[in-house]
Amino acid sequence: GAVVSQHPSRVICKSGTSVKIECRSLDFQATTMFWYRQFPKQSLMLMATSNEGSKATYEQGVEKDKFLINHASLTLSTLTVTSAHPEDSSFYICSARDPIYEQYFGPGTRLTVT
Amino acid sequence: GENVEQHPSTLSVQEGDSAVIKCTYSDSASNYFPWYKQELGKRPQLIIDIRSNVGEKKDQRIAVTLNKTAKHFSLHITETQPEDSAVYFCAASNMNRDDKIIFGKGTRLHILP
Repeated sequence: GAVVSQHPSRVICKSGTSVKIECRSLDFQATTMFWYRQFPKQSLMLMATSNEGSKATYEQGVEKDKFLINHASLTLSTLTVTSAHPEDSSFYICSARDPIYEQYFGPGTRLTVT
Repeated sequence: GENVEQHPSTLSVQEGDSAVIKCTYSDSASNYFPWYKQELGKRPQLIIDIRSNVGEKKDQRIAVTLNKTAKHFSLHITETQPEDSAVYFCAASNMNRDDKIIFGKGTRLHILP
């Protein structure tokens, strides 16, 4: 299967600061990438759909000004959590859709806001 | 929009026995149905998928069946092994509309020694 990387794997930040998470498709071009949030023992909650060269589409209830998404190239999407608060602490996972519609996930980023 | 229901939420089977996880979907236009396996602390991994032009697909010990009329699809794991213990997610989407994938809530599979 295709390979998707995500960086960093873990990050601890202070309340009020911003954190950027990168998602890369390593061996294919991804016109569409997705950002999810996963709480312990729960399913994947889609936050937004990121399309290369256009604005992201956010799911209902997700603040677009707080979770900034940029999909600047066919292999890179970034999620910036702005003015982070402890309630933003979570496991964030990206995924990328390959040309035959299969979707592959990155390894995830564990964000802890203190 | 699409809604995916998955059952059971937890499943325990004896090692060597078969496990079956079932999902239903609501949008009759959905035509792509992937299954993901997620081990604790790791990323979901695509293990098998089926598109609506076939009713069954098999890959070694894993098979998926699709009933479009009833709008349900199932994952079958035969000869289960300890490493099959994980959370399994079903999902559905419409490739023609380039839709996002909608996930079920997951099934926690325990393989008992």
